[in-house]
Amino acid sequence: GQNIDQPTEMTATEGAIVQINCTYQTSGFNGLFWYQQHAGEAPTFLSYNVLDGLEEKGRFSSFLSRSKGYSYLLLKELQMKDSASYLCAAPSGGSYIPTFGRGTSLIVHP
Amino acid sequence: NAGVMQNPRHLVRRRGQEARLRCSPMKGHSHVYWYRQLPEEGLKFMVYLQKENIIDESGMPKERFSAEFPKEGPSILRIQQVVRGDSAAYFCASSPVSDIAVETQYFGPGTRLLVL
Repeated sequence: GQNIDQPTEMTATEGAIVQINCTYQTSGFNGLFWYQQHAGEAPTFLSYNVLDGLEEKGRFSSFLSRSKGYSYLLLKELQMKDSASYLCAAPSGGSYIPTFGRGTSLIVHP
Repeated sequence: NAGVMQNPRHLVRRRGQEARLRCSPMKGHSHVYWYRQLPEEGLKFMVYLQKENIIDESGMPKERFSAEFPKEGPSILRIQQVVRGDSAAYFCASSPVSDIAVETQYFGPGTRLLVL
């Protein structure tokens, strides 16, 4: 199976950059997902990385290092609306069903 | 193109009653997944279904819980004889065919079950 670790909570200032880390222990690897979840709402897909390196999508970028079992989500030019929980998820080898971390609660303040 | 639909959005039940949660996948998606989320916790996988077929139910409690995805109509997660510990948010997600590759899951708005 998978063991996903990410920080419980982070705070940052509006306009700043924040990096949310995720480490995983895997019995195989089938890529890594990041989702955003606002309080009381559904998770929404942000990114899926299967190859090493950085993938950029506007203000959000996601990085993966398979050899280190490590990923991060980078949020630039933070806005108040970015306050949410960010979920790291990875399917274990042989499965297509992702195991989710507990999520990192990001608080953006003025 | 409508997204994943779930109903009801909120459901209140007394201990011992039955709860039925419905999920209609996104158009063109044939795979459905159910997750449970407790406050301050991550999403816990429960069951994965295709039309008329349960693919993986390794995350579902052996008793009182069942799921189906009939040929016609929505997927249903049924909880019989609910207990207070069943109170949680239940999310449904759907994806297109994923037999050969990992597919992105798209989530519904969830059903918040409260057991009194």
